[in-house]
Amino acid sequence: NAGVTQTPKFQVLKTGQSMTLQCAQDMNHEYMSWYRQDPGMGLRLIHYSVGAGITDQGEVPNGYNVSRSTTEDFPLRLLSAAPSQTSVYFCASSYHRDEGLHFGDGTRLSIL
Amino acid sequence: GEDVEQSLFLSVREGDSSVINCTYTDSSSTYLYWYKQEPGAGLQLLTYIFSNMDMKQDQRLTVLLNKKDKHLSLRIADTQTGDSAIYFCAESIGDYGQNFVFGPGTRLSVLP
Repeated sequence: NAGVTQTPKFQVLKTGQSMTLQCAQDMNHEYMSWYRQDPGMGLRLIHYSVGAGITDQGEVPNGYNVSRSTTEDFPLRLLSAAPSQTSVYFCASSYHRDEGLHFGDGTRLSIL
Repeated sequence: GEDVEQSLFLSVREGDSSVINCTYTDSSSTYLYWYKQEPGAGLQLLTYIFSNMDMKQDQRLTVLLNKKDKHLSLRIADTQTGDSAIYFCAESIGDYGQNFVFGPGTRLSVLP
């Protein structure tokens, strides 16, 4: 099993550009989520999904869109990149909360 | 809202015990977690404790939970250089405990 796979690993964007961060999991997990990690702030929840066709907002959803058309994939879209979105983005999935979250290796995103 | 707090840095000598502390605010949390993050990687679940437990031991790791004070600690016995990493405390929240709130992380440095 590959677990949670995120692409790309690194990306540099200019302000105003759009892009999609990809996330796929092969563990048949219903729950998937996106976090951003900034120094000294831990991880903050952007969006989450409890199953295909169902998404909801987390703590910091502004400037991001998600969709969940399949169980396996949960892409995160930046609509118009801003320097404040420079961060490390993690996708995570879970089967049940007593397993905790399975994380991808992250996407390091810089907005110039 | 929910908040999880940790001290940001801890240094110990190789072979000593490390104790990383965490406080949380959501008294309805049923699961509390410790994650480890090594440089350039995603978070890896180390252990978790169910809220009706006071203590959980797993090899060199001991988790203590004081529900009254909403205090969680992680003790690492015989700390090794390979234990150098950032350690995150997290609680599960939401109607089904499906979302997770993370602390800012404690950077553990193990000195030879």
